[in-house]
Amino acid sequence: SQKIEQNSEALNIQEGKTATLTCNYTNYSPAYLQWYRQDPGRGPVFLLLIRENEKEKRKERLKVTFDTTLKQSLFHITASQPADSATYLCALDMSGSTLGRLYFGRGTQLTVWP
Amino acid sequence: DTAVSQTPKYLVTQMGNDKSIKCEQNLGHDTMYWYKQDSKKFLKIMFSYNNKELIINETVPNRFSPKSPDKAHLNLHINSLELGDSAVYFCASSHTGTGVVAEAFFGQGTRLTVV
Repeated sequence: SQKIEQNSEALNIQEGKTATLTCNYTNYSPAYLQWYRQDPGRGPVFLLLIRENEKEKRKERLKVTFDTTLKQSLFHITASQPADSATYLCALDMSGSTLGRLYFGRGTQLTVWP
Repeated sequence: DTAVSQTPKYLVTQMGNDKSIKCEQNLGHDTMYWYKQDSKKFLKIMFSYNNKELIINETVPNRFSPKSPDKAHLNLHINSLELGDSAVYFCASSHTGTGVVAEAFFGQGTRLTVV
């Protein structure tokens, strides 16, 4: 069966440092991968999407890489701030078709301390 | 303007009761989902509907029955509630189609507590 692993349940870093979160998957070759942010008591909010033919995607202080050989995506937040503290989820569309079948990893809880 | 809205936000009920959670999206999306987030924060897909047609039913007990009266609505009815049903339930929607790659928009969640 398909598996999505975010191998850190929690990550604590100091403000100003770069946070790097990992998402690994097995038994599937997704056409694209997404990252979401979830704050306590709220629904996940979309951040970035990267396609299988893209190595890297950037948006402001966020950067995502996608290595289909390693079956891994890395999510970076540069110059991290306490406001970046949240749970970050990676998601894969497992449908292999045009229909939505979005599966999520368990998430990494990031805490940025001043 | 809330894109995906769910009601109620909180639901406390006794074991054995039947309850419904409603979801509406005003984004014009053709695919809607129900996810369950357990106490360990794992977000697990339950159902997916595309144009009112059931696409995914991820080994969910048949006490859970989704209903999509139209493309903008996907309600979740739960019969004979059990303690283990306590969780946060999220509705989401996205646009799907040939060559379309789109993100999902989530509601604010419904925290269901079964006592």
